[in-house]
Amino acid sequence: SQTIHQWPATLVQPVGSPLSLECTVEGTSNPNLYWYRQAAGRGLQLLFYSVGIGQISSEVPQNLSASRPQDRQFILSSKKLLLSDSGFYLCAWSVSGGFFDEQFFGPGTRLTVL
Amino acid sequence: KQEVTQIPAALSVPEGENLVLNCSFTDSAIYNLQWFRQDPGKGLTSLLLIQSSQREQTSGRLNASLDKSSGRSTLYIAASQPGDSATYLCAVRYYGNNRLAFGKGNQVVVIP
Repeated sequence: SQTIHQWPATLVQPVGSPLSLECTVEGTSNPNLYWYRQAAGRGLQLLFYSVGIGQISSEVPQNLSASRPQDRQFILSSKKLLLSDSGFYLCAWSVSGGFFDEQFFGPGTRLTVL
Repeated sequence: KQEVTQIPAALSVPEGENLVLNCSFTDSAIYNLQWFRQDPGKGLTSLLLIQSSQREQTSGRLNASLDKSSGRSTLYIAASQPGDSATYLCAVRYYGNNRLAFGKGNQVVVIP
């Protein structure tokens, strides 16, 4: 069966510091991968998605970037965090080629920027 | 604009009652619709996925219907239990769009 991991689970960072959040998927090959942000009082917002190694699409302009160095690894980064980057970050996957297929989410990372 | 609305934002029901949660969408050109459950501080758990060609999907006590013409999906949870307390999110995939459009969720409390 497939599982998705995210770490760290929680993170408190000062403004201006760098960020690296990691997501890995097990039990499937060449998945589509997604990064979402859930801010208080708002719905989930898609930040990035990837259909393969090194292929990243950005959905909204922002202070963040994403990379996919390996087939089942997706990383969310920032060089300098802003207060507005605080939120709950969720990684998700769907089957290869399956943009229209069911998405499965990881446990999330709670980021607080102070 | 392709919006997804879930009203009310929060509701409470006594244990044993059936739960009815509504999701409205503004564009009928949907590919599929997915219902999720989210517990506080946790990720999303997929409950049901309905393709645009389907009218409903069932899993245990859960039943989700889809009416594209009226732009609505309804999630029914039969004989609610305290363990059903959570936030339920509706997400729509539109044709020609790579993203899921999420509603803000219905926060449900089942009172023992």
